Amino acid sequence: EAQVTQNPRYLITVTGKKLTVTCSQNMNHEYMSWYRQDPGLGLRQIYYSMNVEVTDKGDVPEGYKVSRKEKRNFPLILESPSPNQTSLYFCASSFSAQGLSYEQYFGPGTRLTVT
Amino acid sequence: AQSVSQHNHHVILSEAASLELGCNYSYGGTVNLFWYVQYPGQHLQLLLKYFSGDPLVKGIKGFEAEFIKSKFSFNLRKPSVQWSDTAEYFCAVNLHSLPNNNDMRFGAGTRLTVKP
Repeated sequence: EAQVTQNPRYLITVTGKKLTVTCSQNMNHEYMSWYRQDPGLGLRQIYYSMNVEVTDKGDVPEGYKVSRKEKRNFPLILESPSPNQTSLYFCASSFSAQGLSYEQYFGPGTRLTVT
Repeated sequence: AQSVSQHNHHVILSEAASLELGCNYSYGGTVNLFWYVQYPGQHLQLLLKYFSGDPLVKGIKGFEAEFIKSKFSFNLRKPSVQWSDTAEYFCAVNLHSLPNNNDMRFGAGTRLTVKP
């Protein structure tokens, strides 16, 4: 089954404790992206990756890191989480051709609470 | 700055009523347009998309949307809603702009509540 998986689905942590949210897709998509969803703000892009070893900042990259060592995986790293990073996070992937992406497939979401 | 506006924050309808959700974007270049739906507790799923061609596109579950280029709009419609359409709806615009041809912008979302 074609899907995007994220782990963990729920996470409660404390300020400053490094964490990683994993994202994996089995559709051989070139393009992957991370979003955060906050009430009244919709989805805002954190980072995206056009392909292996190619990543770039989205609208709200501060406090986050990513890596793309393999095509299927795109982990999101919070080196020192803060309460304002409490949010619902979605990973997405899409097919990409000639630099253009198509519809994105979303993971189930990770609800992160930072106390 | 490029943006996507969804003017209705919360829409409440009775079953069988007609639905129209507005979406406007501010970008003069080439765009791909999408509507996604998020059912309670679930991830976003694609309802429909527009890349080119006929500006009236049909999606799943009886939804359709019309791209009006002159108005920078991509409104979502359904002639008769059902209780199961209760969800949050997001308009998204993929801007074809260098260096990032994958610049995807989402609206803030419209929460639809359908009363049985």
